[in-house]
Amino acid sequence: AQSVSQHNHHVILSEAASLELGCNYSYGGTVNLFWYVQYPGQHLQLLLKYFSGDPLVKGIKGFEAEFIKSKFSFNLRKPSVQWSDTAEYFCAVNAENAGNMLTFGGGTRLMVKP
Amino acid sequence: DVKVTQSSRYLVKRTGEKVFLECVQDMDHENMFWYRQDPGLGLRLIYFSYDVKMKEKGDIPEGYSVSREKKERFSLILESASTNQTSMYLCASSRRAPGSYGYTFGSGTRLTVV
Repeated sequence: AQSVSQHNHHVILSEAASLELGCNYSYGGTVNLFWYVQYPGQHLQLLLKYFSGDPLVKGIKGFEAEFIKSKFSFNLRKPSVQWSDTAEYFCAVNAENAGNMLTFGGGTRLMVKP
Repeated sequence: DVKVTQSSRYLVKRTGEKVFLECVQDMDHENMFWYRQDPGLGLRLIYFSYDVKMKEKGDIPEGYSVSREKKERFSLILESASTNQTSMYLCASSRRAPGSYGYTFGSGTRLTVV
């Protein structure tokens, strides 16, 4: 079974700092990759997704992620964070042998100080 | 425009009670899922359903059951609630092949068992 690792459980940044959240998965075959965000008190929302094509994916609110197949990674980046980016971020993987299943990482809680 | 609706935002139940968590989606999705979300553990799949009256165990099904009598509704049942089932419960739905679309989540039900 596939697994997803998010290395940083808590990240604290000042506004305008650059962000990179790590995500690694364990499956060696074809995958679809997702980042979800959960703002305080809100439901999980899709931030961006990758399923084929350009490995650099751009999502909403200035976020992007890069799929590096050789490293089994799908790291999330943003050049300049804002206070409103304070949220919990989840990486998720759908492997081709998993049918309808998404496997989630443990989440990274980001706090941006104003 | 809420598309996945969970019937309760907050619930407090006593140990040993039978608890029903309801989820309704209006997107005609085939797949529906129940997750629990705990700090540091991310989202863990309890059960999912890929069709009416069909169900599959996820990673942590013990102490739970589910019911899907209609396509739009997926219920999670705690047969005899225990304090270790205190958690945030998330319902999600997706098309039959979620790879390109991901999941749509409800707002969650925060259950406290006392």
